[in-house]
Amino acid sequence: DSGVTQTPKHLITATGQRVTLRCSPRSGDLSVYWYQQSLDQGLQFLIQYYNGEERAKGNILERFSAQQFPDLHSELNLSSLELGDSALYFCASSARDHYRKMGTDTQYFGPGTRLTVL
Amino acid sequence: AQKITQTQPGMFVQEKEAVTLDCTYDTSDPSYGLFWYKQPSSGEMIFLIYQGSYDQQNATEGRYSLNFQKARKSANLVISASQLGDSAMYFCAARIQGAQKLVFGQGTRLTINP
Repeated sequence: DSGVTQTPKHLITATGQRVTLRCSPRSGDLSVYWYQQSLDQGLQFLIQYYNGEERAKGNILERFSAQQFPDLHSELNLSSLELGDSALYFCASSARDHYRKMGTDTQYFGPGTRLTVL
Repeated sequence: AQKITQTQPGMFVQEKEAVTLDCTYDTSDPSYGLFWYKQPSSGEMIFLIYQGSYDQQNATEGRYSLNFQKARKSANLVISASQLGDSAMYFCAARIQGAQKLVFGQGTRLTINP
């Protein structure tokens, strides 16, 4: 158990709908990362938040948005869903934002949310 | 841009044998970190081992060790005395200093046969 929790575990919805994925980081971790894992794209970084602020953006679609709340949990919002959005969405957390020693900033992953768009 | 290459889509190994999973990386940044994660069929991503680009010694964590060859830009994972529970997907990932994201390879599916 990594200490990162994600809800729900599974989500089945229809095209055009909107869903919210939730993540609680490990106790004490200030950084939250979102990744998407799909068969064709592999594991892709979406976005990172540190202590409530957006820090880095990756291959995140404009239909997707995220935020990190004062209690440090994060939500990933996916709207106008398409069939191609079906994937496993991971949240990861780490202790800090910038780092001097690489090894002290390992990202620990949650169990993921499997999204199926029908 | 960083790129991680895992050339073995699948590997089959007998239980109790050692196995090496290959990973090569491409970055021009002198400071970076290399990570290996395990993804069992249940789907979660489990952190296994880390190697920093300036580390003088190869990293070890229990049955896992990392064969780090900096000049060749390779960071192969070695699992000693393999067990049935080692059957999973294994991902190599890299992160350059100052960047936030992990860049992952395509993964290697390891199957341990009894």
